[in-house]
Amino acid sequence: NAGVTQTPKFQVLKTGQSMTLQCAQDMNHEYMSWYRQDPGMGLRLIHYSVGAGITDQGEVPNGYNVSRSTTEDFPLRLLSAAPSQTSVYFCASLGQGAYNEQFFGPGTRLTVL
Amino acid sequence: ILNVEQSPQSLHVQEGDSTNFTCSFPSSNFYALHWYRWETAKSPEALFVMTLNGDEKKKGRISATLNTKEGYSYLYIKGSQPEDSATYLCASTLGFKTIFGAGTRLFVKA
Repeated sequence: NAGVTQTPKFQVLKTGQSMTLQCAQDMNHEYMSWYRQDPGMGLRLIHYSVGAGITDQGEVPNGYNVSRSTTEDFPLRLLSAAPSQTSVYFCASLGQGAYNEQFFGPGTRLTVL
Repeated sequence: ILNVEQSPQSLHVQEGDSTNFTCSFPSSNFYALHWYRWETAKSPEALFVMTLNGDEKKKGRISATLNTKEGYSYLYIKGSQPEDSATYLCASTLGFKTIFGAGTRLFVKA
């Protein structure tokens, strides 16, 4: 199993550009989520999904869209990048139930100029 | 919105010292409490998941306790080693949402 994979690892955007961060998992996990990590703030939940076709907002959803057309993939879209979205983005997945641990991807470091 | 708080923000100890950190979370609608270890330039790795009041979990020199009635969990490291240097995150789950604290950054000096 590859676990949770994310692409790209690094990305530089200009203000106003759009892009999609890719996340995939091969563990057949229902639950997937996106976090951003900023200094002194830990991990903040952006969006999450409890299964294919179902998504919901987390703590900081503004400026981001998600979709979940398959169990494996959970892409995060930045509609119009802003410098405030400069961050490290982590995708995570876990099996059914909150008793399971979350498995994290390697992260995507995004810089918006 | 859950508010998960961790203290201290950072901690410097000598090799061999024992140490502990605190995680506090809203006790209402509690579902599960997670501890993660996060090394620089890596992804967070799960240490413990606890669900019942009074739960105690142990992995080597690291252990954790849970008090769901008062809304706190302690993480203990016995005989800290330089390789224990990392950020320790706790996270509380409410329904399908997992909310993380800001973490405690541990530095262990040889």
